[in-house]
Amino acid sequence: ILNVEQSPQSLHVQEGDSTNFTCSFPSSNFYALHWYRWETAKSPEALFVMTLNGDEKKKGRISATLNTKEGYSYLYIKGSQPEDSATYLCAFIDNYGQNFVFGPGTRLSVLP
Amino acid sequence: NAGVMQNPRHLVRRRGQEARLRCSPMKGHSHVYWYRQLPEEGLKFMVYLQKENIIDESGMPKERFSAEFPKEGPSILRIQQVVRGDSAAYFCASSAEQGGEAFFGQGTRLTVV
Repeated sequence: ILNVEQSPQSLHVQEGDSTNFTCSFPSSNFYALHWYRWETAKSPEALFVMTLNGDEKKKGRISATLNTKEGYSYLYIKGSQPEDSATYLCAFIDNYGQNFVFGPGTRLSVLP
Repeated sequence: NAGVMQNPRHLVRRRGQEARLRCSPMKGHSHVYWYRQLPEEGLKFMVYLQKENIIDESGMPKERFSAEFPKEGPSILRIQQVVRGDSAAYFCASSAEQGGEAFFGQGTRLTVV
């Protein structure tokens, strides 16, 4: 059973604060690591698809890094806004079945 | 290009009945994934299918649950003889390639009474 962990479980920050979360995954048989954003009452939407060790991706105020050798990825949000409030999920895809194994998510609340 | 369509959005079944959940992937997508979200929990993988093939069903209970993705038509997740513990939100996602970006449907909320 593949173990994908995320920390922290939840986070409350003030508007304007920068924050980051961690996704830990198996360091062997890596194929890809995805980040998704899941707003309440909506469906998860992809933020980043990362495949190479050392990858850094950026979309607006959100960025992510990837370390496949040690099995972790960081998601950064710069200058958090209330609309960033959501659950952020990472998903690990391995070389075998290539199904997506999701972490439990980090629930972010940005207070105005 | 319509997104991933799941129906019904809400389904109520009595204990012992059958539940059939449908998922139409995005056009051109041949990879379908089913997930279950229990209350206060994250997304738990159930099954990964490609057209006419089950690739990985390691997350699906051995009994009462089955899934298919026929050559024509939507993917179906079938739960026979439902029990209260089957009450959950079931999400389907599709991708164009193995390991590619997954697009999710709105989910089907199953309630067993």
